[in-house]
Amino acid sequence: QKEVEQNSGPLSVPEGAIASLNCTYSDRGSQSFFWYRQYSGKSPELIMSIYSNGDKEDGRFTAQLNKASQYVSLLIRDSQPSDSATYLCAAQGAQKLVFGQGTRLTINP
Amino acid sequence: DTGVSQDPRHKITKRGQNVTFRCDPISEHNRLYWYRQTLGQGPEFLTYFQNEAQLEKSRLLSDRFSAERPKGSFSTLEIQRTEQGDSAMYLCASSYTASEQYFGPGTRLTVT
Repeated sequence: QKEVEQNSGPLSVPEGAIASLNCTYSDRGSQSFFWYRQYSGKSPELIMSIYSNGDKEDGRFTAQLNKASQYVSLLIRDSQPSDSATYLCAAQGAQKLVFGQGTRLTINP
Repeated sequence: DTGVSQDPRHKITKRGQNVTFRCDPISEHNRLYWYRQTLGQGPEFLTYFQNEAQLEKSRLLSDRFSAERPKGSFSTLEIQRTEQGDSAMYLCASSYTASEQYFGPGTRLTVT
């Protein structure tokens, strides 16, 4: 079992709709969780961090964390073609980040 | 405020050669991390520095790999006797506290 698991996709969402990305993790010692966006050929870009149970909103992005279920999600509202990318979920215990393999998201105009 | 920078951005080398990559973190960040990413996978942790001290190394970091961070500023990652399996994107990240890590543009290594 991988430490952080994501559906690799591809996930196709029409423009203007809500994109929902999910992630599960196995290490209950993980305290911090992050979502990174990665365009093809580029490096990961931090878009959201979440540290406690519940929802955290930042613009069109909402991160959700449920530590009891070991589940993290990212919602993207009013999806735009520029949101098309691979989204990486990461869990942090002590120092290092443990990443999932990423979910490829395509927003269709 | 400049972000994390890495040099070179691309490196093509022949099997058996040594290569060295450099990372300059965000200036006030005292933590520096190296990751490796292959196609279709998420980044994998290699090693971590707090100031000049190397505090954690992954099992992925074989004895052909060495990393340094003299004076707690920039860091170098050297790969000796490169193998084709070393072909990957090498990513450097830095952070101020033990939380949000910001990545540089990466160095893409191709071993022929």
